[in-house]
Formats: sequence, structure tokens, C-alpha cells
Amino acid sequence: ETGVTQSPTHLIKTRGQQVTLRCSSQSGHNTVSWYQQALGQGPQFIFQYYREEENGRGNFPPRFSGLQFPNYSSELNVNALELDDSALYLCASSLDRGVGEQFFGPGTRLTVL
Amino acid sequence: QKEVEQNSGPLSVPEGAIASLNCTYSDRGSQSFFWYRQYSGKSPELIMFIYSNGDKEDGRFTAQLNKASQYVSLLIRDSQPSDSATYLCAGGRDYNTDKLIFGTGTRLQVFP
Repeated sequence: ETGVTQSPTHLIKTRGQQVTLRCSSQSGHNTVSWYQQALGQGPQFIFQYYREEENGRGNFPPRFSGLQFPNYSSELNVNALELDDSALYLCASSLDRGVGEQFFGPGTRLTVL
Repeated sequence: QKEVEQNSGPLSVPEGAIASLNCTYSDRGSQSFFWYRQYSGKSPELIMFIYSNGDKEDGRFTAQLNKASQYVSLLIRDSQPSDSATYLCAGGRDYNTDKLIFGTGTRLQVFP
């Protein structure tokens, strides 16, 4: 167990809806990164939050947005859901920003119908 | 061109053998490399990281990095059926603002 938690575990939404996913980082970690993992693919970087500020973003449209709170927990929000958004959403906690050792939570499986 | 490439497998090895997993990367600026293990339906678990050329050993695992050839590998000695999983290679530059790039993973099957 990494000490990183995510909620909910599973979620089913319909096209056009909005979703919020949550992540609690490991104790002592100030950085959270979010990834999208489609079936059979490696995780794709969405963005990273360091001390409540966005610290880098991948090739995802603006309808993917995030937030980090003073306790370093984080949210991922996705607006106007599309079928292709169906995936496993992973958050990873790390001691510092950048590409250092990242520890993943269990993930949220999102299905968009 | 994918930035981090892995053979999707499956790589099948008998129990007790050495499993060799390989990864190549295209960004010469990449400095940090990570190997994650992912069991089916689970999230990735960090196994090892390597920053310097050469070998790094941790128990049954050895990571190898060759920056000139842009090549990273993971050796698993005395493979066990419990090692059967997908192994993800990831790399990134050593900046504070860079992102981690993952390969698609290699599926390893260890048979008794």
C-alpha cells in the first residue's frame, strides 16, 4: 500500500456530463500528478500540482482541470464527457515536483456511456 | 514516433529463469528512468529507478541504463509466477517541470 487514496473506485457517466475525481496524497508529499490510462496503454500524463499550483500539463484539452488543496489532496474535473474519456484515472503522489519517484493510488475506473 | 517504446509481449519465461525486459527512448534529454509493475486491474507499483549509466541492483531486480544507446532494461532473476504482470518503463528529464512519459508496457508470463 502506498498511502495514496482515490475516490470513487468506479463511476459511470453519460456523454456531456461532468465528473470530479479525488485523490489524497501520501503523508509528507506535496505533489500530485494525474494520469489517464486507456485499456492496453501506458498512463498518459494529464497534469501535476505542486503546493497548490499547476506544475506542467500534458496534451489534454481545457475541459480537464484540476485543483490542489492546502493539505495537498487534489481533484481532477472533466467537463463535457466524451466516450473516449472512458479509462482508468490514476493519481500519483511524490515528495517533490518533477519526475521524481511517484507512488500511485488505486485509480478510479470511469466509464462514459 | 513514441517517446518510450516497449515490446508489448507477452514474454514467457519458465519459473526460475531470468526475465529480460527492454525499453528504448527517443528524448536524449531524458535523465531519470523508472520501472513499474502493474497487475491486471491494479495500479502501477514502483519497482526501481535509475539515473546513472550502468547497473543498479535491488534484490532479484537489476535495472540497466545506457544513455548512449538510449536503452533501459530490467532483469528479473529467479522469476516467479507472482512476477507475472505488465512492466511499464517510464522516463523524464530531470527538470522540476517535466512530465513522466510511459511506454505501453511489456506483459510478462512466468510459467511453473
